[in-house]
Amino acid sequence: GAVVSQHPSRVICKSGTSVKIECRSLDFQATTMFWYRQFPKKSLMLMATSNEGSKATYEQGVEKDKFLINHASLTLSTLTVTSAHPEDSSFYICSAPYEGYGYTFGSGTRLTVV
Amino acid sequence: KNEVEQSPQNLTAQEGEFITINCSYSVGISALHWLQQHPGGGIVSLFMLSSGKKKHGRLIATINIQEKHSSLHITASHPRDSAVYICAVSKGGGSNYKLTFGKGTLLTVNP
Repeated sequence: GAVVSQHPSRVICKSGTSVKIECRSLDFQATTMFWYRQFPKKSLMLMATSNEGSKATYEQGVEKDKFLINHASLTLSTLTVTSAHPEDSSFYICSAPYEGYGYTFGSGTRLTVV
Repeated sequence: KNEVEQSPQNLTAQEGEFITINCSYSVGISALHWLQQHPGGGIVSLFMLSSGKKKHGRLIATINIQEKHSSLHITASHPRDSAVYICAVSKGGGSNYKLTFGKGTLLTVNP
């Protein structure tokens, strides 16, 4: 149990376009979803915390208007990278807490902006 | 100083060896987590600990709350165990609090 399905796994987009990443909880209700970014050989960096039905909480230094997070239902949270630039190229991963178990992670999205 | 320190950063072992990865933390925690990240990037939660010891297959995790230290052991290591192992702590009450991560230990198990 406690599976988070993340799509797409890889995406290549042109500079200036927007990309949406989805994370769906398949067999439980995810009231909270954490969104992380990871640079090569670096640790996970928390970008924002989304809660179903309310505005996301962004970490210091993360641009809210650039990384739009929506958590409209208990099973779906999305991260949209708007007006993407090459420096946004990174590995993005979501995670949801699962009561009594800990945290379950999506499989990650490797974004390349060309 | 990071709130969560792992050692070693890199570890190379021969198949069959017993492996230990250590994690120390400097803050009060509600739970400690061991995660595994494979080269493709996906992360799997291995253990969540608040006290004592847990075992799953060839993996054993222990925690000493007084010493603020945890270890992850792998018995009879295999090349498929090659991955980055990450220690993380949750500081708030319950499982809804964000994680603080160690920098990870890159384990390579050679056949």
